[in-house]
Amino acid sequence: GQSLEQPSEVTAVEGAIVQINCTYQTSGFYGLSWYQQHDGGAPTFLSYNGLDGLEETGRFSSFLSRSDSYGYLLLQELQMKDSASYFCAVSGGGFKTIFGAGTRLFVKA
Amino acid sequence: NAGVTQTPKFRILKIGQSMTLQCAQDMNHNYMYWYRQDPGMGLKLIYYSVGAGITDKGEVPNGYNVSRSTTEDFPLRLELAAPSQTSVYFCASTAGGTDTQYFGPGTRLTVL
Repeated sequence: GQSLEQPSEVTAVEGAIVQINCTYQTSGFYGLSWYQQHDGGAPTFLSYNGLDGLEETGRFSSFLSRSDSYGYLLLQELQMKDSASYFCAVSGGGFKTIFGAGTRLFVKA
Repeated sequence: NAGVTQTPKFRILKIGQSMTLQCAQDMNHNYMYWYRQDPGMGLKLIYYSVGAGITDKGEVPNGYNVSRSTTEDFPLRLELAAPSQTSVYFCASTAGGTDTQYFGPGTRLTVL
């Protein structure tokens, strides 16, 4: 089977850096994705790691270690609009994508 | 491009009723997915399709059926609705099985 674990909540102040971790167990692994979802909205894609290492997209970076079954999303220069839920998702065997339960990020002024 | 569209946006069903949630995409994507999201929770995969005529079960398929007769459309059928199916339903599509998933706006379903 497949399972993912990520913290349920993280709080940080505006301008700070926050890291959201994700560990996974999966049979068959193609990559780890990150999605952002604001309240009442649909998930939107942030980042994808198919290989080990760091991927950077503007203020957001994502890291993957396949040997550790671990990844993280790094958000820099936090803004109030970054307050949202963040989901890690594993693409595994059969091209199923399984999502974690999500991490709710609260950004304080 | 309209992207991924879903209809209806909201629906209230009585227990035992049936309905079809519509999903369409105009990006010529082969892969399409149906998820449900309960309040404060993550997304659970219901069914997915890797191309027209091919569908497979996800994590929570019981009580649902799907079909994929065309590349564009991927309807989700609820038979004999139950209160446990109260949720927000998202449809998504992707060009390749591991690529970015594009989500529709969702359908908020309440079963009373």
